[in-house]
Amino acid sequence: QQQVKQSPQSLIVQKGGIPIINCAYENTAFDYFPWYQQFPGKGPALLIAIRPDVSEKKEGRFTISFNKSAKQFSLHIMDSQPGDSATYFCAASKRSGNQFYFGTGTSLTVIP
Amino acid sequence: DAMVIQNPRYQVTQFGKPVTLSCSQTLNHNVMYWYQQKSSQAPKLLFHYYDKDFNNEADTPDNFQSRRPNTSFCFLDIRSPGLGDAAMYLCATSRGLNTEAFFGQGTRLTVV
Repeated sequence: QQQVKQSPQSLIVQKGGIPIINCAYENTAFDYFPWYQQFPGKGPALLIAIRPDVSEKKEGRFTISFNKSAKQFSLHIMDSQPGDSATYFCAASKRSGNQFYFGTGTSLTVIP
Repeated sequence: DAMVIQNPRYQVTQFGKPVTLSCSQTLNHNVMYWYQQKSSQAPKLLFHYYDKDFNNEADTPDNFQSRRPNTSFCFLDIRSPGLGDAAMYLCATSRGLNTEAFFGQGTRLTVV
């Protein structure tokens, strides 16, 4: 059973566009929601993370929006660049937990 | 400077021949994880160490073992690699459970 559902599977945007990647979860025990960026042949790198006590967090061009009641969170990339082309994974973990549950990933392509 | 270092980056092994992958960290983190990631899939947790305590995921095959001789190093042993074990193996560390995790670059394992 997929603990974290991620969509879309792939996304193509023009340079300067704002791609949005969505994730949803069911387990209300989750309280930490990171986003990872992965380039081909590399390990995932932590981009930004949020806890449920805030509804939005922004770091540079990356923003997480969090809707606790809907159990959804999303990643927005402002002014996207070709260098942002990568696979993005959302994840979730719980306070008493021992692992991150990853979404299935979104392959983002930013066209120059 | 790399904080989680995996060696080698690429490993080719023969079917059934034991292989060891290594991971070291300079972060002095308590937790070290091993994930398996197959092409276009999310990372899947195999096991983790919290300090010296080993925690195996229920669905991790017995073929996979791990050792953590000290805080800095962790090894993944595959006793009899099969063709289905070809994947990227990712090591990650975190200060504690449910805190941000830092991934290494991964080891790409090919089984011939």
